[in-house]
Parts: sequence; C-alpha cells; structure tokens
Amino acid sequence: EVQVLESGGGVIQPGGSLRLSCAASGFIFSSYPMNWVRQAPGKGLEWVSAISGSGGSTYYADSVKGRFTISRDNSKNTLYLQMNSLRAEDTAVYYCAKANAFDIWGQGTMVTVSS
Amino acid sequence: DIQMTQSPSSLSASVGDRVTITCRASQGISNYLAWIQQKPGKAPKSLIYGASSLQSGVPSKFSGSASGTDFTLTISSLQPEDFATYYCQQYSSYPLTFGGGTKVEIK
Repeated sequence: EVQVLESGGGVIQPGGSLRLSCAASGFIFSSYPMNWVRQAPGKGLEWVSAISGSGGSTYYADSVKGRFTISRDNSKNTLYLQMNSLRAEDTAVYYCAKANAFDIWGQGTMVTVSS
Repeated sequence: DIQMTQSPSSLSASVGDRVTITCRASQGISNYLAWIQQKPGKAPKSLIYGASSLQSGVPSKFSGSASGTDFTLTISSLQPEDFATYYCQQYSSYPLTFGGGTKVEIK
C-alpha cells in the first residue's frame, strides 16, 4: 500500500525549532518529488515546500523562505522539514504529499507555536 | 505567482443533485490542475489530476474538464459522503498554489 506518515509535531515557543519527518512506503521514493503543505486552524491549504526526487532542487513559499529547510534521505525513504525561527502564524497541521499532483497525502502532524 | 480563483466559496445542495465547481487560473497552466477533497477533521484526498484524470479508486461520479484557463469539477449525483470542501491546485510552476476552497453543504 502506498502511504506516507508524518511525525514530529508538537508545541513550541516562538523563535524555536522543530523537525518534521515523513516516512514513505509502497512506492519508489526517489522517483518522486515530495511536498509539504500546511493548513492553519479553520483555513485553507497552503503549499510550503517541495524537493525533487534526487534532492538536488528545492522550492519554498515566500512565507517560509530562509526559515524552513526541506530535505530527504532516499536510503531511508524519509522526507524532512527543518523549521527554525518559528512564529505564531506557522501554527498549522503539516501534511506531506507525494508528487506535484499531491496524489497521496499523510494524516498530518500538528505544530503549535505558542508561548 | 499563479493565482487560482475558485467559485463558489460555498454551496448548498441536496442528495442527488448535480454540482459544479469552477476554478480559474491567472495564467496558462496547461492541464496541470488537480482537484482535492477534504472532509472535516480529515486529511485531504486527491480526486483528479491532469485536469480530468481520476485517481485510482475515485468513483466515476466525479469528473473534471478544462477550457483554456478555466477548470471544472462536476459531481454527477451528490451523495451524503460527498459533503466536504473541495480545492483546486495548480502544479504547472512553483510556487504551487491552491484555490480558496468550495464548501459543499447539505440543503
């Protein structure tokens, strides 16, 4: 079964750091770009970041550029999102999604930035 | 950045109704358009990619079409399990962008 499973969310103070992980299974992980998408409480979907299958190309939304870093370990079939200098407006459920048409989504992991 | 304008933002419909949701791209995106369904408290689910291709396992009551920069999602006969929020999403170029969503509610 093709699936992705996020982990690493939690409650963090403003200015803090957190690393999210997304474990993939059931497909050739290195063949696909991967994405992070977030959803603030009661709001719509917002694309955050993407990475190519090889990891050689990365892309970011302006709202997170310079603070978040996407990476992947194809030997472990795992996608990461390192989040630094967190702000209250980063509070959201973070989803990882397979490929640029987002054909497979995880269940999400909640990140709450609050003092 | 490519803006995706989705309409309506909400609609009320009855079981058995035919429902149409539209999405307009601010510039050409070819057919790099996906439709996503999200039920309350649940993760999003992909319905359609390439503007009109159904994802595996998605029932044929869902269909998508394209005309230039205008895209349409149609549900042929609305069922109770279809009440949800629907988003369009372009993947023609970065940053990837979503429409604002259409909440389909029970009349």
